[in-house]
Amino acid sequence: GDSVTQMEGPVTLSEEAFLTINCTYTATGYPSLFWYVQYPGEGLQLLLKATKADDKGSNKGFEATYRKETTSFHLEKGSVQVSDSAVYFCALETSGSRLTFGEGTQLTVNP
Amino acid sequence: NAGVTQTPKFQVLKTGQSMTLQCAQDMNHNSMYWYRQDPGMGLRLIYYSASEGTTDKGEVPNGYNVSRLNKREFSLRLESAAPSQTSVYFCASSEAWGPGYGYTFGSGTRLTVV
Repeated sequence: GDSVTQMEGPVTLSEEAFLTINCTYTATGYPSLFWYVQYPGEGLQLLLKATKADDKGSNKGFEATYRKETTSFHLEKGSVQVSDSAVYFCALETSGSRLTFGEGTQLTVNP
Repeated sequence: NAGVTQTPKFQVLKTGQSMTLQCAQDMNHNSMYWYRQDPGMGLRLIYYSASEGTTDKGEVPNGYNVSRLNKREFSLRLESAAPSQTSVYFCASSEAWGPGYGYTFGSGTRLTVV
């Protein structure tokens, strides 16, 4: 079945470091791909998305490119801030609008 | 803008008790969803409603029932709570049933069953 695999966490970085969180997927057809972010005590918020191969989603300095050949959608940011500390979820859209989520990656950014 | 509102935010139940989690959205979205979040397991779909008047099972429906009361409201009921249902429950909505819309999530209900 469809599935999403994220890099194991937690990830701890210093402020202004470069961030990569890996995400690979298994799916039939051509799913849409998403990154969601969850701040402490809150629900998930849509961070960015890509709906077809080679699309690049971007928001708030974060980017991810839909790579069909490697079935990947890695999240990157050039310079992280303390305020980026959160849990990040990769997700793919299966039939209709059903989302399948990865396990989540906890990011902590230290000043 | 309220978005998706869930009540209650916290709840403690005894094994065997029943309760209903409420969810309402004010964005005129057609599709609504219930997920549970457990450590190390991400989010798992319990039930969803593609449109008003329809509901379908997701990945982990056992022990739950849902009602799409109207276009705004989608409730989740636990008939006889079990400790395995201790979790954080999230309601979400999307504009329509189809690719690429993304979800808007509520802030969650933290449920403990003792």
